[in-house]
Amino acid sequence: AQTVTQSQPEMSVQEAETVTLSCTYDTSESDYYLFWYKQPPSRQMILVIRQEAYKQQNATENRFSVNFQKAAKSFSLKISDSQLGDAAMYFCAYRSEVGAQKLVFGQGTRLTINP
Amino acid sequence: NAGVTQTPKFRILKIGQSMTLQCTQDMNHNYMYWYRQDPGMGLKLIYYSVGAGITDKGEVPNGYNVSRSTTEDFPLRLELAAPSQTSVYFCASSYRQRGNNEQFFGPGTRLTVL
Repeated sequence: AQTVTQSQPEMSVQEAETVTLSCTYDTSESDYYLFWYKQPPSRQMILVIRQEAYKQQNATENRFSVNFQKAAKSFSLKISDSQLGDAAMYFCAYRSEVGAQKLVFGQGTRLTINP
Repeated sequence: NAGVTQTPKFRILKIGQSMTLQCTQDMNHNYMYWYRQDPGMGLKLIYYSVGAGITDKGEVPNGYNVSRSTTEDFPLRLELAAPSQTSVYFCASSYRQRGNNEQFFGPGTRLTVL
């Protein structure tokens, strides 16, 4: 079974600075996607960024980018120019492309932005 | 499109009571999922469905039942509620295709069992 580990329960960063959230995963599959979700206090799950395992190029979405190291099974999220609205829980998730495309989530990292 | 809707938003149950959490999606998605999120934790899969009439267990199915009689609806039934079922429940749906398909989540139901 696949597992996802987020080793940083909490992180904090100064507004306008850059922060990196860590995620490692374990799988024997070669065909999968990785995701970062944001969960603000409203509880809504918001997709931040996704990465296909077959693509070597790291995904970027505006101020959000990932560092995907397939051999090391590492998938970190970098947030540049942090804003107060980025404060939330962030979850790393794995999705196999085989079968029902179920998501496996990490434990989450609570990100605090200091003004 | 309303997306994925869940009712109720909040519920308090007594031990041993039963209830059904409702989930509806209007995007004609064939895949639907139920997750639970315990305090300070990530989401764990309870049950999922790949189409009407087809359901299967996820990681934490004990104490729950599901049915999928239509494409749109995927209710989650709690029988004999226990304090361990205190959690936030999320329903999600997606369209089965390779690649850039996204799971869309409902707003969640906060359930407390006392």
